[in-house]
Amino acid sequence: AQRVTQPEKLLSVFKGAPVELKCNYSYSGSPELFWYVQYSRQRLQLLLRHISRESIKGFTADLNKGETSFHLKKPFAQEEDSAMYYCALSGGNQFYFGTGTSLTVIP
Amino acid sequence: DTAVSQTPKYLVTQMGNDKSIKCEQNLGHDTMYWYKQDSKKFLKIMFSYNNKELIINETVPNRFSPKSPDKAHLNLHINSLELGDSAVYFCASSDFANTGELFFGEGSRLTVL
Repeated sequence: AQRVTQPEKLLSVFKGAPVELKCNYSYSGSPELFWYVQYSRQRLQLLLRHISRESIKGFTADLNKGETSFHLKKPFAQEEDSAMYYCALSGGNQFYFGTGTSLTVIP
Repeated sequence: DTAVSQTPKYLVTQMGNDKSIKCEQNLGHDTMYWYKQDSKKFLKIMFSYNNKELIINETVPNRFSPKSPDKAHLNLHINSLELGDSAVYFCASSDFANTGELFFGEGSRLTVL
């Protein structure tokens, strides 16, 4: 079964500290992995996707097929990073979302 | 030039009423979705339509009925509203042939009293 797991429901870090949001997945084929972000009372928007291998707002995520992980990282957290983050998997014309991690960056 | 738009953004109604939420996308995408985000921020797929044809219908009460008059529109009609239906409903669209990215609307916050 296809599944996306985000083990941390809540995560708090201090401004300037590194942050890592964990995501593990299970999928029988070759999935595409995404991170979506939802700022307070806004729509979900794409943060980054694994095939583009780019850094957005200082965030990066590497797809580790051996560990079936797609953790989101940023070396220095900023207050404006406080938001809800969803890991998502696309496969077979369907999207599967994790339960989300609420990140709070403490000033 | 909003890509995915939903109306209304806020909806407050009494239990037992019937309500609809409309969604339109101007991206030319073939696939549209309805997601429900509950108070714990869990995001759950409800329906998916591809070229006006239903392809995903998760375990959703049959009080919820999606309607797609054309591939740019996917409306959600809810009958006999219950307290547990209070949530934020997001419409989304995607173009799997190219980017596979989901584009979301701003959400419609439904409150059932």
